[in-house]
Amino acid sequence: EIVLTQSPGTLSLSPGERATLSCRASQSVSSNYLAWYQQKAGQAPRLLIHGASSRATGIPDRFSGSGSGTDFTLTISRLEPEDFAVYYCQQYGSSVQTFGGGTKVEIK
Amino acid sequence: VQLQESGPGLVKPSETLSLTCTVSGGSISSYSLNWIRQPPGKGLEWIGNIYYSGRTNNSPSLKSRVTMSVDTSKNQFSLRLSSVTAADTAVYYCASQGYWGQGTLVTVSS
Repeated sequence: EIVLTQSPGTLSLSPGERATLSCRASQSVSSNYLAWYQQKAGQAPRLLIHGASSRATGIPDRFSGSGSGTDFTLTISRLEPEDFAVYYCQQYGSSVQTFGGGTKVEIK
Repeated sequence: VQLQESGPGLVKPSETLSLTCTVSGGSISSYSLNWIRQPPGKGLEWIGNIYYSGRTNNSPSLKSRVTMSVDTSKNQFSLRLSSVTAADTAVYYCASQGYWGQGTLVTVSS
């Protein structure tokens, strides 16, 4: 199965700053079927990005996804107070799907 | 589309965990229904998925204990996880095409 490694584990930033989150796959993700989710405490994950770079419905354009093959990035251009949360990547290109371990974006 | 998990919140060790996911407000017949779990304070773990045809895919780590099924007439999907231990305590989610249920906490304890 494909192992997804997210880095860093924790990102300490201030509102207004740019956040760059990484997701590296142990092998190429088929058709760049890579999604990013945001999760806040006590809530279900919320889909942000699918297909590596397509924003889900209703997601602000400060969220962007990029990358292909084995290296993917989620960028939040200017952090808003509501963006402080945990972010997960997921690959769904193989019959066995997997999630990364998550990156926590916390207020500095 | 709304998804809703339901089932017992407490299961005894060695018994079988059984959950149902009911889909409403639309159809997901062209897609798979995924089961995902999250132990308290930890990350997300994909359990497996099932299509309306009944075809399934499972996580290798849980494969021998997982059974998934679908009742297309009721738009309901079921998950059964056998021989549970405390390590199976988690919030269990069903999800499809970016839509997620709110999750249900299942605790394994005697």
